[in-house]
Amino acid sequence: QVQLQESGPGLVKPSQTMSLTCTVSGGSISSGGYYWSWIRQHPGKGLEWIGYIYYSGSTYYNPSLKSRVTISVDTSKNQFSLKLSSVTAADTAVYYCARFDGFVDYWGQGTLVTVSS
Amino acid sequence: EIVLTQSPGTLSLSPGERATLSCRASQSVSSSYLAWYQQKPGQAPRLLIYGASSRATGIPDRFSGSGSGTDFTLTISRLEPEDFAVYYCQQYGSSPPGLTFGGGTKVEIK
Repeated sequence: QVQLQESGPGLVKPSQTMSLTCTVSGGSISSGGYYWSWIRQHPGKGLEWIGYIYYSGSTYYNPSLKSRVTISVDTSKNQFSLKLSSVTAADTAVYYCARFDGFVDYWGQGTLVTVSS
Repeated sequence: EIVLTQSPGTLSLSPGERATLSCRASQSVSSSYLAWYQQKPGQAPRLLIYGASSRATGIPDRFSGSGSGTDFTLTISRLEPEDFAVYYCQQYGSSPPGLTFGGGTKVEIK
């Protein structure tokens, strides 16, 4: 059973860079066949795809966030990470990491990140 | 960019009734890459349907998906108390690559 767990600061100041890490257990990122994704959900709103990465390091980002997003992978730790720069209050959301192959079959529990001074 | 429009926004029904949720795409979507999710408050979404009509592991057969091209439907044949939740459709496109979610349909108790 694959499990994903997000970790990182729950509070970030405006204009700073937020960083989250997703630790995968029960399966190896480097085994291939899946993309590893970040998805967010603003309070009371719908789901927004941020981007995803393959174990090789290939990345694809949502065009609306592309200029501020970096997703990286550390196969030795079985982790992948999200960095979002120049955050504002509009980036306050629950951030989910997920396994994806055309559809998302495993999700992390989600972590709330609040942008506030 | 493909836009997914879900309707209705809210569906008010009683337990035991049939629920029909619509997901319409702004251009044709590969059925292989159309999925449905259920989300309850405070929880991550849960995969219900993938490939437009295949049930995910452990999903009861009262949930069914259908459709092709630009029109897709999620049907819950007889609503159980635990089915009242928000439902999202999602598509994956390879050119350009990316995921798109619909805005969601809330199924609430009437």
